[in-house]
Formats: sequence, C-alpha cells, structure tokens
Amino acid sequence: ETGVTQTPRHLVMGMTNKKSLKCEQHLGHNAMYWYKQSAKKPLELMFVYNFKEQTENNSVPSRFSPECPNSSHLFLHLHTLQPEDSALYLCASSGGGSYNEQFFGPGTRLTVL
Amino acid sequence: SQQGEEDPQALSIQEGENATMNCSYKTSINNLQWYRQNSGRGLVHLILIRSNEREKHSGRLRVTLDTSKKSSSLLITASRAADTASYFCATDAAGAQKLVFGQGTRLTINP
Repeated sequence: ETGVTQTPRHLVMGMTNKKSLKCEQHLGHNAMYWYKQSAKKPLELMFVYNFKEQTENNSVPSRFSPECPNSSHLFLHLHTLQPEDSALYLCASSGGGSYNEQFFGPGTRLTVL
Repeated sequence: SQQGEEDPQALSIQEGENATMNCSYKTSINNLQWYRQNSGRGLVHLILIRSNEREKHSGRLRVTLDTSKKSSSLLITASRAADTASYFCATDAAGAQKLVFGQGTRLTINP
C-alpha cells in the first residue's frame, strides 16, 4: 500500500451514464494528479492540482471534470464518455512540488460500453 | 516533446540473470525517476537520480544518468520472478512542474 486509495477499482458504464472516480491520500501531500493509461500508449497526464488549485489541464475533453475539495481528496467526474475512454485511470500524489517522487493509487479500470 | 523512450519495449530473461533497460529523453531535466508497474496496478517509485548525479544504487538496482547523451539505464541484478513487471522512466523538464513518462519496458523473468 502506498497511502493512496482509489475507488471503485472497476467500473463499467454506458455512454449516457454519469459516474465519479475517487482518490484519497493521507500522506500529507500538496499535489495530486490524474493519469490515463491505455493499452500500448504512454501514461497520459490529465490534470494536476497543487494546494487544491488546478495547475495543469492537458487538453482533456470536457466530459472529464476534476474536483479537488481539499488536499487529501481528488475526484474525476465522468459524463457521456466514449468507448475509447476505456482505460486504467491512475491517481497519484506528491509533496514539495510536482517533480518529487509520486505515489500512485491502484487505479480504476474503466470500461465504457 | 520531452517524452522519454524506453528500450527495449520488451525483455525476457532467465531468473538470476541481469536485466538492463534504457531510457532516452529530449530536453534538460532536473531529475529522472524509474517506476515499476505490476500488471493492471499503480506505479511504484523505485529510484530518483538528479541531473548532477551519474550513478545511484538501491539494493539490486543500479541507475546511471548521462546528461550529455540524454539517457539513463536501469540495471536489475540477480533477477527474480517477482521482478516481472513493466518499468517506466519519468523525467521532469527544468522549469516544468510535471513528470513525463515513457512507454515502458515489459520485463519477464522466466523461472
């Protein structure tokens, strides 16, 4: 266990559903991240939050909506996704700036039907 | 793009042998990190080497960094079946506030 938890671990949803992914860290870190990992593609950074403020949006479609209510929690709200959005979604956190060691959660395996 | 590229994409060796993976990148960096990922799980940080360091050790891991060639290598000595995983390098460009990951090397250790 790295101290970063993600729920749910698996999610199957239709294209018209609305769902949310949750990430929680109790490491006292100030920065949190969402990544997308698709088969045969590099890990893609989606969003970065520092001290609850979004500092990076890597041209992510608006059907993905992040929320960071405090430094320990990060959400990814999903709405009208496409089948190509099926992937492993990873949350990570780090302390002392974005370029320190990152601690990853186990990921949510998302399947969009 | 600053993206790191690992080489080889896949590596299969016998238990007990050494495994070497390479990473190349394109821009100046503050540090380079190596991570491991077991199938379908999150990444686990292995080692960080700063741009002013040339070599670093951690247990059976040895990392080298050549900033003139913009490359790094990860050596795993005396490999074990439990080392079977994907290995990624990640770089942070000087001045950038994020890590960029390569595509990874899939390492298989055969018993």
